[in-house]
Amino acid sequence: QTMVTQEPSLSVSPGGTVTLTCGLSSGSVSFNYYPTWYQQAPGQAPRTLIFSADTRSVGVPARFSGSILGNTAALTITGAQADDESVYYCGLYMGNDIWVFGGGTKLTVL
Amino acid sequence: QVQLQESGPGLVKPSETLSLTCTVSGGSISGYHWSWIRQSPGKGLEWIGYVYHSGSTKYNPSLKNRVTVSVDTSKNQFSLRLTSVTAADTAVYYCARHGFASYWYFDLWGRGTLVTVSS
Repeated sequence: QTMVTQEPSLSVSPGGTVTLTCGLSSGSVSFNYYPTWYQQAPGQAPRTLIFSADTRSVGVPARFSGSILGNTAALTITGAQADDESVYYCGLYMGNDIWVFGGGTKLTVL
Repeated sequence: QVQLQESGPGLVKPSETLSLTCTVSGGSISGYHWSWIRQSPGKGLEWIGYVYHSGSTKYNPSLKNRVTVSVDTSKNQFSLRLTSVTAADTAVYYCARHGFASYWYFDLWGRGTLVTVSS
């Protein structure tokens, strides 16, 4: 079974830039997987940041951007802020009405 | 503003059936796909299954034999039934709405409800 891979943890300095990636254990992530990025702050429900690889959801700050980088989907935070400290999940549409999530990346801002 | 709210027992005994309901307020359940997603303690997210407003469904193959998702448009609610639960089914259960023009992602989530399976 193909799994979605993410960095377990990353850190970034306040004001810095960080890129989180979302890959597949077998194969490449493309627009056809409609990569979506969700932010989950401690004790909160997930919030949709980016869908269809590069489209920001309404109300999401412009410092969050999504892209396809090589064989992975990527979420870049430019000018990180303290309240960006969260777990970020990548979700992929695998086709045939099946959705799979990555294990999440815990982002620390310090 | 559309909001989703999960409700149901927080404690279920092993081998029994877990039942949850998601109430959609501030908008119509029609025209959308609606899913259940769970998060086991300290773990990531797992998609469980969806129902369309027409009643059509699709389930995660790993849970397919135990799960039923249904919709009640008259009450603007959809529901989850998971049979023969074990401790491995202990999780926070979220209901979520799929995007309207693009159902390939989830654009709105409930706050989640913790269900513990224990005798």
